[in-house]
Amino acid sequence: AQSVTQPDIHITVSEGASLELRCNYSYGATPYLFWYVQSPGQGLQLLLKYFSGDTLVQGIKGFEAEFKRSQSSFNLRKPSVHWSDAAEYFCAVGRGDKIIFGKGTRLHILP
Amino acid sequence: GAVVSQHPSWVICKSGTSVKIECRSLDFQATTMFWYRQFPKQSLMLMATSNEGSKATYEQGVEKDKFLINHASLTLSTLTVTSAHPEDSSFYICSARDPLQGHMNTEAFFGQGTRLTVV
Repeated sequence: AQSVTQPDIHITVSEGASLELRCNYSYGATPYLFWYVQSPGQGLQLLLKYFSGDTLVQGIKGFEAEFKRSQSSFNLRKPSVHWSDAAEYFCAVGRGDKIIFGKGTRLHILP
Repeated sequence: GAVVSQHPSWVICKSGTSVKIECRSLDFQATTMFWYRQFPKQSLMLMATSNEGSKATYEQGVEKDKFLINHASLTLSTLTVTSAHPEDSSFYICSARDPLQGHMNTEAFFGQGTRLTVV
């Protein structure tokens, strides 16, 4: 079965520093991959998605992610984080018509 | 992007009562909607897939009689938590796909969630 793993439960970075959130998936074929962000008590906002084509995907809010088949990874990056980026980030994989989520990574920003 | 509206945003109910949560697709017709449950500081767990005009498909371990799902129209799915107990307190989120976007794994649009507290 398809699954997605986010190995980091918490990540803390200083404002202005670069960010990389890790995501690994398990699936035999080319997966459909997503990154969502959730602010406390809020719903989900889609940051970016990968279905096929260019392996470097640009998203909203300055985020990007790179699909690496050889590493089964889809890591999320941002060159310079802002205090408003503090939130929970979920990597997800499409399974049939369903979306299955990783456990999430909580991002803390130091002033 | 497409908009999914969930109502109410939060609800408090007494133990033993039932509570209904609505999920509406505002600008598209959704033949399939999904219901998730999220415990504090945890991930979203898929509860069931709601299909318009037919019975919902529940994930393993989800009680069908506890969580009643109805998808009576192409823009509305409802989740009713029956005989609610404190352990049902959680954050419930719905999502919907726009079938006109093409293939099966296009993005899903999420509602803003409903915070249920059973006292």
